Amino acid sequence: DIQMTQSPSSLSASVGDRVTITCQASQDISYSLNWYQQKPGKAPKLLIFDASTLETGVPSRFSGSGSGTDFTFTIISLQPEDIATYYCQQYDDLPITFGPGTKVNIK
Amino acid sequence: QVQLVQSGPEVKKPGASVKVSCETSGYSFTSYGISWVRQAPGQGLEWMGWIRTYNSDTEYAQRFRGRVTMTADTSTNTAYMELRSLICNDTAVYYCARDEGGDYPKWFDPWGQGTQVTVSS
Repeated sequence: DIQMTQSPSSLSASVGDRVTITCQASQDISYSLNWYQQKPGKAPKLLIFDASTLETGVPSRFSGSGSGTDFTFTIISLQPEDIATYYCQQYDDLPITFGPGTKVNIK
Repeated sequence: QVQLVQSGPEVKKPGASVKVSCETSGYSFTSYGISWVRQAPGQGLEWMGWIRTYNSDTEYAQRFRGRVTMTADTSTNTAYMELRSLICNDTAVYYCARDEGGDYPKWFDPWGQGTQVTVSS
């Protein structure tokens, strides 16, 4: 199975800050990487697919980049409604695997 | 709009089975797959498997093979996930999600609201 790691596991930032989360795959997954946002008690929501493509309707302050084994998710200007846990997910090989998540809080 | 509505919470005893339904609307059911993902209390997301809705081919995660069956009813646009021989560690919220991959699982959007399954003696 492809192992996905994320860092940090949690972070606190101020409104308006730039927030960066990294995701690393245990082997080359090309661009087969997606990002989800999960708010407490809610189902996850797709934000970015294919490493860098923004899902329709998702605010442009969210972005993704990377390929191969190293990926980055960025919130350009953190907003209060962005408080959530963020997960990366690979689909290069089965089984589909997720990263352990990064919890984002407001400082 | 695209909607996935799941069946209600379940409480089961160890050794029992549970069957969760996922009723879809607002899109062509057979043009997308359905993946099932679970989340244990306070834990991350775990992919269980996927069904190719137009012909019911399935891919299951190794750890669930032999214990899970995913089906799709094209007459009602509803997907089902049955998990057998339940143990306490199967306590989790189970999600269905529309899978962009009609022929191979890719990404999941949107998701159902989740079904709480509690396994307890």
